[in-house]
This record gives sequence, C-alpha cells and structure tokens, in this order.
Amino acid sequence: DSGVTQTPKHLITATGQRVTLRCSPRSGDLSVYWYQQSLDQGLQFLIQYYNGEERAKGNILERFSAQQFPDLHSELNLSSLELGDSALYFCASSVDAGPSGSTIYFGEGSWLTVV
Amino acid sequence: LAKTTQPISMDSYEGQEVNITCSHNNIATNDYITWYQQFPSQGPRFIIQGYKTKVTNEVASLFIPADRKSSTLSLPRVSLSDTAVYYCLVGDYGSSASKIIFGSGTRLSIRP
Repeated sequence: DSGVTQTPKHLITATGQRVTLRCSPRSGDLSVYWYQQSLDQGLQFLIQYYNGEERAKGNILERFSAQQFPDLHSELNLSSLELGDSALYFCASSVDAGPSGSTIYFGEGSWLTVV
Repeated sequence: LAKTTQPISMDSYEGQEVNITCSHNNIATNDYITWYQQFPSQGPRFIIQGYKTKVTNEVASLFIPADRKSSTLSLPRVSLSDTAVYYCLVGDYGSSASKIIFGSGTRLSIRP
C-alpha cells in the first residue's frame, strides 16, 4: 500500500458526460501528480500541483481540469467524455515539488470506461 | 528533462541476473536517475534512485558510470514475479517546471 488513495476504483459512463476522480496523497506529501494510461500504452503526464498551486502541465486536454484543495487532496475533472478517454488514471504524490532525492508514490488508479 | 532510451523488451529465466540499460546522453549536472516497476493495471512502484557510481538496496542495484550517460538496473536472481515493465527516468525533479515524464519502458518477461 503506497498510502495514496484514489476513488472511485472503477467508473463506467457515457460519452458526453462529466466525471470527477479523487486523490488523497500520502500523509505529509505536498505534491500531487496525475497520469493517464490507456490500454497497453505508456504513462502520459497530465498535471502536477504543489501545495495547492499548479506546478507543471503536460498533455492535458482542455476538457480536463484539476485542482488541489487546502487539505491537499486533488480532483481531476473530465468533461465531454469521448470513447478515447477510456483509460486508467493514476494519481501520485511526493513530499516536495519534485522527487530529486525523494520518491513519487502512485495510487492504484481509477479505471474509467466511456461507452 | 533528459531523453532516455531503453530496450523495448527483454526475456530471461528464473534465477538469472537481469541487467537493463538506459541511455541518457543529455543528462544534466543536477539530474538524478530513477527506476520504477509497473505491473499490469497497477501504479508504478519506485525501485531505486542514484546520482553516480553504484547504489544498492534490498531489491536491486543501480550502476552509473563516471560520465553518467547511461545507467544499468541490475535485478539479482529474478523470479516470475519480476515480470513487469521497468521505466528509467532522468531529471532534476526539484526544478520549478518539473514534469515527471515516463518513457516507453522495458517489458521484462521471466520464464520458468
């Protein structure tokens, strides 16, 4: 158990809908990262937050947004869902703004299926 | 972040030592080298991190030559449970614009 909690574990929704994925980082971790992994594909970096502020942005679609709240949990909002958005979404956390000398811990992921 | 190149796949047998090499010719002075392991449908798991020379922990060793343009993850006496994808990451993740980018990884298959 990495200590990173993601909910829901599985989600099935229809095209055009909106969903919210939730992540609770490890206790004491200030950074939260979001990744997308499609079937048999690599991990695509979406976005990183550090202590409530956006720190780095990757290939995140405009239909997607994220935020980190004062209690440090984070939410990834996916809207106008398309079939191609079906993927495993991972949240990760680390103590500081980046893992040089430290470690990123990943959650077990949220399976999103768009039908 | 420095670009990394790893073999796409490797095969080995139980009990063997497996060495996976990662090339990172453009590594910068402040960059660390970190390896992760990922099983299907699970989040990546940290294996080992190093800056230079050799690092060893309970599961693996990391060898980094003096020029730091490559690194080798060594898994001693692998078992079937070591079948996974292994990612090499290089970067100064403490920088303000850190993007922790995973490459394609190396798919390691262990046979009985």
